[in-house]
Amino acid sequence: TQLLEQSPQFLSIQEGENLTVYCNSSSVFSSLQWYRQEPGEGPVLLVTVVTGGEVKKLKRLTFQFGDARKDSSLHITAAQPGDTGLYLCAGPNDMRFGAGTRLTVKP
Amino acid sequence: EAQVTQNPRYLITVTGKKLTVTCSQNMNHEYMSWYRQDPGLGLRQIYYSMNVEVTDKGDVPEGYKVSRKEKRNFPLILESPSPNQTSLYFCASRGRFYEQYFGPGTRLTVT
Repeated sequence: TQLLEQSPQFLSIQEGENLTVYCNSSSVFSSLQWYRQEPGEGPVLLVTVVTGGEVKKLKRLTFQFGDARKDSSLHITAAQPGDTGLYLCAGPNDMRFGAGTRLTVKP
Repeated sequence: EAQVTQNPRYLITVTGKKLTVTCSQNMNHEYMSWYRQDPGLGLRQIYYSMNVEVTDKGDVPEGYKVSRKEKRNFPLILESPSPNQTSLYFCASRGRFYEQYFGPGTRLTVT
């Protein structure tokens, strides 16, 4: 079992601030996925990172996969209220998810 | 439009009354799964299916059954629901790059 720990569990910030959330494991992953879940909906895939050290950008979101492929981070620049949601990381091979970081961006 | 549908979206029932939550996908995916989502525990896989007539237990299968008679459908069955099965349930199908597509969720309350 490959466990994924996400931190922080909750994060509340003002619009315009930057933030980083983390996904860590003691196991090596062949790849990691990040999803965002909005209230009342199912998770939606944001990105998959595959190569150690890989950095992917999706508009104001930057995803990084650790060199050892045991951890990943999501950085949001100039957060907006529309970024509010639950951010989940997942290991695709065994379909397991972290508990998530619940982000609230206040106007 | 590629999608996963679930029904019903909301369900309140009583202990012991059998129920079925339906799930259907239109993407011709072979792999489908069911999750439950509880506060602080995240998404936990209940059952999964790698193809028609092939199903297997996930991390929390007790009290649930599934079937996969057709590729597009993967119903979740609770033969005798109990209050500890009150939860938010998601069906998902998986694409060829291991990306998962989730349904909108079914909020189940068992009294």
